[in-house]
Amino acid sequence: SSELTQDPAVSVALGQTVRITCQGDSLRNYYASWYQQKPGQAPVLVIYGKNNRPSGIPDRFSGSSSGYTASLTIRGAQAEDDADYYCNSRDSSGKYVIFGGGTKLTVL
Amino acid sequence: EVQLVESGGGLVQPGRSLRLSCAASGFTFDDYAMYWIRQAPGKGLEWVAGITWNSDYIAYADSVKGRFTISRDNAKNSLYLQMNSLRAEDTALYYCAKGLYSGNHQEFDYWGQGILVTVSP
Repeated sequence: SSELTQDPAVSVALGQTVRITCQGDSLRNYYASWYQQKPGQAPVLVIYGKNNRPSGIPDRFSGSSSGYTASLTIRGAQAEDDADYYCNSRDSSGKYVIFGGGTKLTVL
Repeated sequence: EVQLVESGGGLVQPGRSLRLSCAASGFTFDDYAMYWIRQAPGKGLEWVAGITWNSDYIAYADSVKGRFTISRDNAKNSLYLQMNSLRAEDTALYYCAKGLYSGNHQEFDYWGQGILVTVSP
């Protein structure tokens, strides 16, 4: 099975734009999904597919992909966006679901 | 309102078994694939197993294959995870998650609050 690699930690000033990336061989063939997890809470799906947001997710969240890298962009980061973010996709065989190691986003 | 409520967790000795259940409500259960995902204390997310809407396709992570069995009862709107030969490294918060689609995909749009499984002597 393949892996998805994320930066362990990223910070952004309040109101600025931040991009969180996810790298992996399988991303050339499969879209990534993105999940937000706050301490003590279950993850929440924020982006899936090419660039789709579930109902209730603010439009400041967007997704993109290029080659081996998927990105989650938050435009105008808010204090409530301070959380862990995980990407997931399929492994190169397509049989298994894999998660990235997570990125801790700090909003300064 | 979609609700997923896990039960059946607890403290268990290595080598023993445990069965997790997930009661689903607020959506048409047999229209969607369902999944188990776990998170060890202070660690990241790990997909454990998935089952399609009609149970015709089931997949497991290599770390649990041969020890865990996922199943569902659409008449009872319930998802299960039978965990045998438990190891210390299975200690985690286990989440039940609803798939976005009926087939085997990787998008999970609703999650339960999780149930803790601790494997220790």
